[in-house]
Amino acid sequence: AQSVAQPEDQVNVAEGNPLTVKCTYSVSGNPYLFWYVQYPNRGLQFLLKYITGDNLVKGSYGFEAEFNKSQTSFHLKKPSALVSDSALYFCAVRDKKTSYDKVIFGPGTSLSVIP
Amino acid sequence: GAGVSQSPRYKVAKRGQDVALRCDPISGHVSLFWYQQALGQGPEFLTYFQNEAQLDKSGLPSDRFFAERPEGSVSTLKIQRTQQEDSAVYLCASSLEALGLQETQYFGPGTRLLVL
Repeated sequence: AQSVAQPEDQVNVAEGNPLTVKCTYSVSGNPYLFWYVQYPNRGLQFLLKYITGDNLVKGSYGFEAEFNKSQTSFHLKKPSALVSDSALYFCAVRDKKTSYDKVIFGPGTSLSVIP
Repeated sequence: GAGVSQSPRYKVAKRGQDVALRCDPISGHVSLFWYQQALGQGPEFLTYFQNEAQLDKSGLPSDRFFAERPEGSVSTLKIQRTQQEDSAVYLCASSLEALGLQETQYFGPGTRLLVL
């Protein structure tokens, strides 16, 4: 079955330090991968996606993600964390069984950036 | 409008009551999705519309859940005879195209439903 896993429920990082939010996937064939962020009382916002091409994908708000096929991972990274980055982060994969963009979300990782 | 809007933002229902949740997608967007997000979990797919056609309702948890998009724009998710396990945030998302182009989905703020 197609799925994504986010092994950490919670990530804490000091402001100014680099951050990583982990995601691994299980998909047959080439995956289409996404990261979304959810701020309190707000809807999910798209950060970035990997479809094909360069393994390092750059997205909104200074975030980037690295696609690693051998490790089946798509970790989200940022060189210097801001307090305002504190939110819920969801990794997602497109369901390849459908002809439309049905997306399967991971359970989410809560990021806390400590001043 | 500038984004996807949903109403009401919050809904408290007594068990057994029927509720209707509304989604206004971005104008011109062909695809519309409904998701259910339980507390502390990721969104789970409920149903998908391509214009007015409901192409996938495999995620609807029971026949108490019904969704429609009669004119291919506004959509309504209806839950009949609500149960406590229906308490969740219901998210609506829309995207411009429909044909598996890995389009970005734009999400509304959600409707938080609490069934007492």
